[in-house]
Amino acid sequence: EVQLVESGGGLVQPGRSLRLSCAASGFTFDDYAMHWVRQGPGKGLEWVSGISWDSGSIGYGDSVKGRFTISRDNAKNSLYLQMSSLRAEDMALYYCAKGSESYVQGGMDVWGQGTTVTVSS
Amino acid sequence: EVVMTQSPATLSVSPGERATLSCRASQSVSSNLAWYQQKPGQAPRLLIYGASTRATGIPARFSGSGSGTEFTLTISSLQSEDFAVYYCQQYDYWPTFGQGTKVDI
Repeated sequence: EVQLVESGGGLVQPGRSLRLSCAASGFTFDDYAMHWVRQGPGKGLEWVSGISWDSGSIGYGDSVKGRFTISRDNAKNSLYLQMSSLRAEDMALYYCAKGSESYVQGGMDVWGQGTTVTVSS
Repeated sequence: EVVMTQSPATLSVSPGERATLSCRASQSVSSNLAWYQQKPGQAPRLLIYGASTRATGIPARFSGSGSGTEFTLTISSLQSEDFAVYYCQQYDYWPTFGQGTKVDI
């Protein structure tokens, strides 16, 4: 069974950092791009970041550029999102999603259940 | 950034009726467009990619069309399980999502 399980969410103060993880199973992880997508309370989907199969192509949404860093460890079938300088507007449910292609420019065909990030003092 | 605009924001339909959802891109994205369905408390599910290709396991009542800047998702005969929020997403550039269309009864 293809599965993505996110972890690492929680309550964090504004300006602090947090690292999210996504454990993948049931497919050949290093064949596909991976993404982080977030959804604020009562809001729509926002693409946060994506990384190609070999980490050679990485992109970020404008709202997180310079503050968030995506990475992957193909040996561990894992995806990460290092978030720094967190703001109230970063508070959201963060989904890990499998790309349908090896490069970032593609759809997202498998999604995890998400991990919640709360930013508050 | 490519801005995706969906219309209408809410679409009220009855079971068995046809639903037509629209998505417009601020610049051409060719056929690099996907549609997703999201139900309350659930993760999104991929319905359509390449503007018109149904993803694995998606019923034939879902169809997508369009290219360039104008796209349409059609649900031919709404079932009770189809009431949800639908998002379009372009992937011709760095991905961006539309704001969603809620299909309700």
